[in-house]
Formats: sequence, structure tokens, C-alpha cells
Amino acid sequence: AQSVTQLDSQVPVFEEAPVELRCNYSSSVSVYLFWYVQYPNQGLQLLLKYLSGSTLVKGINGFEAEFNKSQTSFHLRKPSVHISDTAEYFCAVILLGSSGTYKYIFGTGTRLKVLA
Amino acid sequence: DAMVIQNPRYQVTQFGKPVTLSCSQTLNHNVMYWYQQKSSQAPKLLFHYYDKDFNNEADTPDNFQSRRPNTSFCFLDIRSPGLGDAAMYLCATSSGVGPTYEQYFGPGTRLTVT
Repeated sequence: AQSVTQLDSQVPVFEEAPVELRCNYSSSVSVYLFWYVQYPNQGLQLLLKYLSGSTLVKGINGFEAEFNKSQTSFHLRKPSVHISDTAEYFCAVILLGSSGTYKYIFGTGTRLKVLA
Repeated sequence: DAMVIQNPRYQVTQFGKPVTLSCSQTLNHNVMYWYQQKSSQAPKLLFHYYDKDFNNEADTPDNFQSRRPNTSFCFLDIRSPGLGDAAMYLCATSSGVGPTYEQYFGPGTRLTVT
């Protein structure tokens, strides 16, 4: 079955340090990959997505992610984090379901805590 | 600003007492989704509407129902809430279905069942 794994439930990092949030997926078919961010008491917001083309995807707020087919990974990175990046980050894959409609499969999330 | 609004943000209901959660959108999107997110778990799609067409996920319990009276509003009805239904319920919208269509999420309603 299609799944998304986020191995790190929490990642503490100091302000201005680099960060990588890991995401691995399992699929034998074409995948479309996404990263969403959820700030406290807010809904999910799209950070970036990979549909096709260049494997390095740049998103909002200075984030980027690299699609690695051989490692079935889509890790999220930022070279220098800010306190305001403290949030929950969700990796997701979209697949074509049995009903003929597309659906998201989300990972369990990684809580990024940026320390002063 | 165009947005997805969920009311109430926090809802407490009693075991077995029907409850309705509300979602509205000003984006004029065709598609509206309901997700359930339990503590420390991934959001899980319950069902979605494409216009008036209702699409239920195969593993969504019958206890969960939905109504979409018009483009702007969508409701989630839980007929007989159990303790296991306590969760955050997220509403989302998109202008179409498929990987190129971004989903826009509301802030969620946190449901507590006592």
C-alpha cells in the first residue's frame, strides 16, 4: 500500500542553523509529492510540490526539497531557520484511488522547534 | 482575503449525541474535503464533494455523513459520536481534483467527546 513515512516526530534546531526534515514514500508508480506546514492554530499551507521535471523544488519561506527516486525520498531543507519556522510539517503523496479520484496520503508530521 | 472558515474551532459533545461541524469557503472552489486528524497521526480523508457529487472513502464509518447545500458550505455530521471520534477535523477546498490542484485548508475544529 502507498505510504509516507516521516521518521522524525520532533526536530529541535537552533535559530540560523540548517535543518532537514526527512520523508520517504513507498510506491511503484508515478508519485506526486508535497510538503505542507501547519502553524499553531492554523490550517495546513502548501510549502512546495514535486509533480515532474527538476528534482530540486523550491518553495515558499526559503524551503526546498529534493526528489530522489532511487532512495524514494523527498526531504525538506532550509539553510537557515528562523523562530517563525516553528510549526508542524507534513509530507504527502497524492495517488489515484480506486474510485478514480485523487487523494492525499499524509505522513504523521514532524514538529520543528526553533530555539533562540 | 478569500479563505476557508471552520466553525466552531472547538466543539464538545457527549457520547452518542449528534454533532455537526461547519465549513465555508469564499474561494468558489468546486471541491470540498473533510479530513480527520487524531492526535499525533496523519490527516485522513473521510470524503469529498466535487460540486454536488459525493465521494465517500471506503473505510469511512457510516457514523460520518456530509451535506453540501451550496458551493460555499459543507457540513460534517457525526450521528452518534464515540470516544474514538475525538479528533481535529479539517476542511479543505480545491478548484479541481488531481495533483496540479492545490488544496486550501481551514484551521480545523477540535472535537472532544465526553
